[in-house]
Amino acid sequence: GQQLNQSPQSMFIQEGEDVSMNCTSSSIFNTWLWYKQEPGEGPVLLIALYKAGELTSNGRLTAQFGITRKDSFLNISASIPSDVGIYFCAGQGIAGGTSYGKLTFGQGTILTVHP
Amino acid sequence: KAGVTQTPRYLIKTRGQQVTLSCSPISGHRSVSWYQQTPGQGLQFLFEYFSETQRNKGNFPGRFSGRQFSNSRSEMNVSTLELGDSALYLCASSWGTSGRAGETQYFGPGTRLLVL
Repeated sequence: GQQLNQSPQSMFIQEGEDVSMNCTSSSIFNTWLWYKQEPGEGPVLLIALYKAGELTSNGRLTAQFGITRKDSFLNISASIPSDVGIYFCAGQGIAGGTSYGKLTFGQGTILTVHP
Repeated sequence: KAGVTQTPRYLIKTRGQQVTLSCSPISGHRSVSWYQQTPGQGLQFLFEYFSETQRNKGNFPGRFSGRQFSNSRSEMNVSTLELGDSALYLCASSWGTSGRAGETQYFGPGTRLLVL
């Protein structure tokens, strides 16, 4: 099925470093979401973006909804060991029709933080 | 406020059997979406239910079905299990209304299904 292009696929960083990951799509999305998943658990919502150009922060996390509505990025500042996990971007199309309840996901970015 | 709950958390079945998974959404949420997560295919949308009606369906065979009850709880069923159905099955709930925040989905912990 269709997936968003998420990069990088994995990152190995030192504690304290900043992290940046992004997602691109050939389709326009009405909503962009960023999730974090840890082993054995479901994805946990980090940030939700609803408007093109929107820049939203959640603690050390900052995400932006691209102007073209086809991309988004997530930054993590001053990483800590508990940031370890898999980060997913997800997009949802224009509300209604074939977009009802359907999120399209990126392949995920595996983040490893060395103390 | 309780989050999305899924039961059971782990399940082992053999080929040819059928399985039913359950999902209870966040209180007040009327939309439940189901996803399959595998290492090879990632997170794939199965279907979505709102007010007991299926509004959307992904590209999965008819062996995958679901339903929603009047209290918004949802079940999904997989019949004639195949080895390739081994996966983490996730459900997510949302208000289900269109517009800002209406569709933001919150996930449960998932049901890990192993088919032998």
